Amino acid sequence: QQPVQSPQAVILREGEDAVINCSSSKALYSVHWYRQKHGEAPVFLMILLKGGEQKGHEKISASFNEKKQQSSLYLTASQLSYSGTYFCGTEHNNDMRFGAGTRLTVKP
Amino acid sequence: DAGVTQSPTHLIKTRGQQVTLRCSPKSGHDTVSWYQQALGQGPQFIFQYYEEEERQRGNFPDRFSGHQFPNYSSELNVNALLLGDSALYLCASSFAGTGLYEQYFGPGTRLTVT
Repeated sequence: QQPVQSPQAVILREGEDAVINCSSSKALYSVHWYRQKHGEAPVFLMILLKGGEQKGHEKISASFNEKKQQSSLYLTASQLSYSGTYFCGTEHNNDMRFGAGTRLTVKP
Repeated sequence: DAGVTQSPTHLIKTRGQQVTLRCSPKSGHDTVSWYQQALGQGPQFIFQYYEEEERQRGNFPDRFSGHQFPNYSSELNVNALLLGDSALYLCASSFAGTGLYEQYFGPGTRLTVT
């Protein structure tokens, strides 16, 4: 069962913030976040392990709520380079399932 | 440091034919996973290879098979191609030792079945 992402698409102005959510119906061991630009391969952003861990990568951070089986990706003061499709992935016993993605567009 | 490489970049096949895609993992990585990505969708897990064995498999028919070689490179074989097999095939490598499953993706092979 693949995780569910919301929203499907977001349009921002440079400098605005965004939140992308990822939820699963199955118990999660870890949540992975990737960004894919058009015509390119997905690029690893971060992994969060169960335990409510929060991580950050520059102005991109994420949280993982194990009890709710949810993760959220926070993009602060968005830059043009943040545009792309963001995928969350949930991994269990080496079986990785990706959500359908959230398309983020940052405009000047 | 060479990243994940895949070949060929593009491929056009006819329905019913067979195809082999190749992947070389990032230096230091020992695990290779294969994904199918249809246009506008997230990658769908096909299978994962570690120590030359298929360790896990997604919901794909037996027409999809693979192999991992002693140098950790991998092949994906698809038999009896269907029109619905047209997609971007991504290979991702990781290092099993960390237990974190941090994956690095290759550029993909675009397969078109006519």
